[in-house]
Amino acid sequence: DAKTTQPTSMDCAEGRAANLPCNHSTISGNEYVYWYRQIHSQGPQYIIHGLKNNETNEMASLIITEDRKSSTLILPHATLRDTAVYYCIVRSNMEYGNKLVFGAGTILRVKS
Amino acid sequence: DTEVTQTPKHLVMGMTNKKSLKCEQHMGHRAMYWYKQKAKKPPELMFVYSYEKLSINESVPSRFSPECPNSSLLNLHLHALQPEDSALYLCASSRDSVTYNEQFFGPGTRLTVL
Repeated sequence: DAKTTQPTSMDCAEGRAANLPCNHSTISGNEYVYWYRQIHSQGPQYIIHGLKNNETNEMASLIITEDRKSSTLILPHATLRDTAVYYCIVRSNMEYGNKLVFGAGTILRVKS
Repeated sequence: DTEVTQTPKHLVMGMTNKKSLKCEQHMGHRAMYWYKQKAKKPPELMFVYSYEKLSINESVPSRFSPECPNSSLLNLHLHALQPEDSALYLCASSRDSVTYNEQFFGPGTRLTVL
């Protein structure tokens, strides 16, 4: 069973904020939410992760709901280079092997 | 240097050929990974190496044979592949594989099996 549910695709205007939702209603207390993205013809790239507090770094912000059943990745000023597949991954930090299990992801298209 | 390099970028091979994919990192990472990605699908984990030892094999057919000759290098030896093995093969590395830490991915090798 999939641990996360994401929309198949989204469009965003260049310069606007891109808000990518992720549902993870069965998340357990020791599981984190991670986001990776994959730009066409490249390998996936780590963006951000969080447990329950909102997180921000130079790439994005991660907003996790209080019940932790969903989260939103925010790219504050999307550019054409942000067009990519965005993967939301839920996993425990203590899970052996540092495995990443990718779901289908959301195709984000940033348009000028 | 936060780069993972993979060679070759593209590879075309017949079903009777033997070929190898190569991955290299110089970040001092002690965990390395092989993923397989079919067209329009997410990456799927194949193997995990931790401190040069194979720690996870995700039930991958024996026609794929990984090798980690040292902490910077990871190879994937290919033999008697099938056309359905055509895919993008991604290598990644991380500080270790004991607990979660960020994985750095290479650009991949696009493999076509004829």
